[in-house]
Amino acid sequence: SQTIHQWPATLVQPVGSPLSLECTVEGTSNPNLYWYRQAAGRGLQLLFYSVGIGQISSEVPQNLSASRPQDRQFILSSKKLLLSDSGFYLCAWRRSGSGANVLTFGAGSRLTVL
Amino acid sequence: AQSVTQLDSHVSVSEGTPVLLRCNYSSSYSPSLFWYVQHPNKGLQLLLKYTSAATLVKGINGFEAEFKKSETSFHLTKPSAHMSDAAEYFCVVTLERDFNKFYFGSGTKLNVKP
Repeated sequence: SQTIHQWPATLVQPVGSPLSLECTVEGTSNPNLYWYRQAAGRGLQLLFYSVGIGQISSEVPQNLSASRPQDRQFILSSKKLLLSDSGFYLCAWRRSGSGANVLTFGAGSRLTVL
Repeated sequence: AQSVTQLDSHVSVSEGTPVLLRCNYSSSYSPSLFWYVQHPNKGLQLLLKYTSAATLVKGINGFEAEFKKSETSFHLTKPSAHMSDAAEYFCVVTLERDFNKFYFGSGTKLNVKP
C-alpha cells in the first residue's frame, strides 16, 4: 500500500529565517506531487505541483519554492520567511496519468512565523 | 470557469440526527467530485468520490452523496450524526481535461452536540 510522510509536523521560525519542509511517498512510482497551504479562514491554496523529477509548476508567485530531487520526494523551501507564510502546509500525491484519481494527503506541517 | 461553493460555513446538529452539508459546483466539463474530511491539525481524508458512475455514492463512516447534474449539486448526507463526525468537510471538483487542478470549496465546519 502507499503511504505519504511529511515532516516536521510543527515548526516555529523567526521572520527572515529559511524553511525546508519535506514530503515522501512510498509504495508507488512516478506520482504527481502537490504542496497546498491552508491559512486560517482561507481554505486550501495550491502552491506547487510536480509531474516528474525536476518538473515543478508554480501556481502562486511568492517567496516559496519547491524541488523534486527524487521520484518520490518533494521539498518546499524558502530562503527568508515572512509572517504571511504562517499556515498549515499539506503535501499530497495522486497517480500519474488520466483518470479521476484521488488526491491523498499527508498529515500536514504547521508553520508559525514569529 | 470552475468553482465550488459550500453553502454553509458552519453546521450544527445534535448527535443522532441527520447531517446535510451542501455543495454546488459550476463547470463547463464533466466533473469528478469528492468530499474530504479534516479533523483539527490533521490532513484531509477522502470520504467519497463521484466519477460518472452511479449518481448516489456511498463513502466511509456512513456518509453518502448524490450527484445531481440538473442542480449542479453534490450534497453530503449522513442519517445519524456521531460525535466523532465533528470536523471540517471540503467539497472538491476536478476536471477530466486537467487532473492537476483540484478546486476546493471553502469548507463546512460540522459541530455535533451531545
